[in-house]
Amino acid sequence: ETGVTQTPRHLVMGMTNKKSLKCEQHLGHNAMYWYKQSAKKPLELMFVYSLEERVENNSVPSRFSPECPNSSHLFLHLHTLQPEDSALYLCASSQDYPGTGAGRTQYFGPGTRLTVL
Amino acid sequence: GENVEQHPSTLSVQEGDSAVIKCTYSDSASNYFPWYKQELGKGPQLIIDIRSNVGEKKDQRIAVTLNKTAKHFSLHITETQPEDSAVYFCAASQGAGSYQLTFGKGTKLSVIP
Repeated sequence: ETGVTQTPRHLVMGMTNKKSLKCEQHLGHNAMYWYKQSAKKPLELMFVYSLEERVENNSVPSRFSPECPNSSHLFLHLHTLQPEDSALYLCASSQDYPGTGAGRTQYFGPGTRLTVL
Repeated sequence: GENVEQHPSTLSVQEGDSAVIKCTYSDSASNYFPWYKQELGKGPQLIIDIRSNVGEKKDQRIAVTLNKTAKHFSLHITETQPEDSAVYFCAASQGAGSYQLTFGKGTKLSVIP
């Protein structure tokens, strides 16, 4: 549980605000992910970083901007969000991407509950 | 792309009974199938996974079976306990091309004491 941490745990913001979500992994992994979790929908992969390079971008609106300054930290910068962006944002890491065997296992953080007013 | 269907969406069982959750996938190239448990206020935690060269895998009270021909896999929990109550997600991933995990919508399991 403490291998991947996320801050803040809860965030309320207006549509014109700019905020950032932070994720840190203490597992020595090389890949990090951002997911969006909405009620009654499957987890949606947003971005994947491998060795600090973005390798996947799943048609995410530009109001979400990821940043990976090193292999242990991942940020999600938010600006001009919409109410439908309210969700639980989960960060995950894995040893490698795509990886083989146990290296593919993704470990999730507790998430940031985002509410956009 | 891959599509994963998960059933049922909710499941209630008496403590001590077994629980079974089923998933189907669409892409025959998928070869990695993890199961995650998500408790309230927490992120998903891996509980068991299976790869396509294996038909069944067991870890204490938890087992997963895979039928590649029918493209479905199932999670079996025996001797359920109240602490098993959570939302369970299945997922599928390919070994080549797109390596992304595609998740099911989840099953909310309630174990009644």
